[in-house]
Amino acid sequence: DADVTQTPRNRITKTGKRIMLECSQTKGHDRMYWYRQDPGLGLRLIYYSFDVKDINKGEISDGYSVSRQAQAKFSLSLESAIPNQTALYFCATSDRDSIFSGYTFGSGTRLTVV
Amino acid sequence: DQQVKQNSPSLSVQEGRISILNCDYTNSMFDYFLWYKKYPAEGPTFLISISSIKDKNEDGRFTVFLNKSAKHLSLHIVPSQPGDSAVYFCAASTSGTYKYIFGTGTRLKVLA
Repeated sequence: DADVTQTPRNRITKTGKRIMLECSQTKGHDRMYWYRQDPGLGLRLIYYSFDVKDINKGEISDGYSVSRQAQAKFSLSLESAIPNQTALYFCATSDRDSIFSGYTFGSGTRLTVV
Repeated sequence: DQQVKQNSPSLSVQEGRISILNCDYTNSMFDYFLWYKKYPAEGPTFLISISSIKDKNEDGRFTVFLNKSAKHLSLHIVPSQPGDSAVYFCAASTSGTYKYIFGTGTRLKVLA
């Protein structure tokens, strides 16, 4: 099994719908992150969480919300999806003592909003 | 405002030659830098890192150079192999923040 699992892998949804992307990890890491990747813009941070009771906004949090249900689970919600939220979404984790080795990423969720 | 920039969207190199990928940053508070490699349909994977107390770090065929005065880092791959064909992201962080800011990526194609 993958260390960081994202579901679904692909999703097409309609404008205005609520959608949840899920992430679970078996690394035992405290820190979890949601990024989106867009062509020409790289990876941009949406939200991050350093433990279950700690949630922080990233660079581009508008239109998104998150829930840290447990140490191992971090979900991203689009309350009312819009077409410019079409992107590749990545969940990542890191250990509190391993900032120098960066993140472990999931395989991504490709979201299309029509 | 893009704090971490990779100005070359793509790069093609012959197998066996050197690949040099560049990254510039604007925030002088950044003190940790990483390179990630990403294949299609996969998440980015960690490749190599460097802290601001060093100007070079090597790991096999991969070497990262950091020029703090120029706010520039580069990744050298020698010799390049077809399996190195991927998108490469540089990322930067300030100690204590535990967040990385990513560049826009460079697509490397190594020609056999």
